[in-house]
Amino acid sequence: SYVLTQPPSVSVAPGEAATIACGGTNIQTKTVHWYQQKPGQAPLLLIYHDTRRPSGIPERFSGSNSGSTATLTISRVESGDEADYYCQVWDSTSDHPVFGGGTNVTVL
Amino acid sequence: QVLLVQSGTEVKKPGASVKVSCKASGNTFTGQHLHWVRLVPGQGLEFMGWINPYNGVTNFAQKFQGRVTLTRDTSITTFYMELSRLRSDDTAVYYCARGSDVGWLDPWGQGTLVTVSS
Repeated sequence: SYVLTQPPSVSVAPGEAATIACGGTNIQTKTVHWYQQKPGQAPLLLIYHDTRRPSGIPERFSGSNSGSTATLTISRVESGDEADYYCQVWDSTSDHPVFGGGTNVTVL
Repeated sequence: QVLLVQSGTEVKKPGASVKVSCKASGNTFTGQHLHWVRLVPGQGLEFMGWINPYNGVTNFAQKFQGRVTLTRDTSITTFYMELSRLRSDDTAVYYCARGSDVGWLDPWGQGTLVTVSS
């Protein structure tokens, strides 16, 4: 089945930008979604359809999908952004969603 | 705006079964699928299966085939996930989530902690 690869962890200083990569075979042909999950909370849809933000999600969160990697960028990182972040696509072969392994973001 | 509310914490012994419910409130449920995803401690999100709310068709991750049953009530407001032959490594938080027709999952239920211990 389709596999998505994410770095296990990313560390960033407050106010800087964090980028989280999500790799997969021909991922540019797929639609990528991103979720934020804080400890003890349910996942929250952060970015859908590669680049779109649901209502209520700050503009600091942005997504892109080109080349061989999809990317989530968090601009002007805040301490409240510490969380696990997951990318997800739909695998048409198995007809179900596939999640990346998740990236833990630490704010220094 | 649909809100998904799940049943409470469960503690089960190895070999037993658990049934978790997910009730949709706030509006008539709309969506392509109702998904079940779990988060095992120290691991990432893991898809288990989905059910089509309208015709009851299901699809499961290969890992869970034969061990998971997904159902819904006829009013399409409450969904159920039953996991059988529980093992200690099934200890996890189980989530339901509505699936869109383009594949994203939103919203999610608050999660149900299932602990399997002898």
